[in-house]
Amino acid sequence: QKEVEQNSGPLSVPEGAIASLNCTYSDRGSQSFFWYRQYSGKSPELIMFIYSNGDKEDGRFTAQLNKASQYVSLLIRDSQPSDSATYLCAVNGETSYDKVIFGPGTSLSVIP
Amino acid sequence: DTEVTQTPKHLVMGMTNKKSLKCEQHMGHRAMYWYKQKAKKPPELMFVYSYEKLSINESVPSRFSPECPNSSLLNLHLHALQPEDSALYLCASSRPGGAEPQHFGDGTRLSIL
Repeated sequence: QKEVEQNSGPLSVPEGAIASLNCTYSDRGSQSFFWYRQYSGKSPELIMFIYSNGDKEDGRFTAQLNKASQYVSLLIRDSQPSDSATYLCAVNGETSYDKVIFGPGTSLSVIP
Repeated sequence: DTEVTQTPKHLVMGMTNKKSLKCEQHMGHRAMYWYKQKAKKPPELMFVYSYEKLSINESVPSRFSPECPNSSLLNLHLHALQPEDSALYLCASSRPGGAEPQHFGDGTRLSIL
């Protein structure tokens, strides 16, 4: 059983639309949740992190966390072609000190 | 500019060679990580150093040997690698515990001939 799951995609959205990326996790004790963006051939880049239930906004990005449903999402408003990348969800579990579990990633394509 | 620096950016080596990957961070972090990433897969954790001590070894073959000389430096010594070890090797750092975000270097693209 996978510990962190994401839709593999590819997810295609038109330029200017909202892209919604979803992630579920199995460790109910998880406390820390991270979203990374990775362009092809490059290293992961931290986009957002969230610890508490609810929404956290940073520019065009909003992270949403629902611990009861074990669900975290990333919304990208006014999507741009430069947002086309793979988005990795990562979760730190209650018993995984010093370790995060990465999901498989969702490939996003923003169509001009 | 990344605050975690990895060298070299590219490395091609034969299966009998010995080489080392280097990572340096000046973020004051006391946890450092090595990951291996294959194409279209997420990063796969190899080793974690916390306060300069090895805290996690994810059953990595002994042909990979990590070293943490001080709180800013992390090395990965390579010996007798196999073609399937060709991958992007990523270094990351964070505050210890896993609850804080990890910051990645640009990676070393390793090719084994």
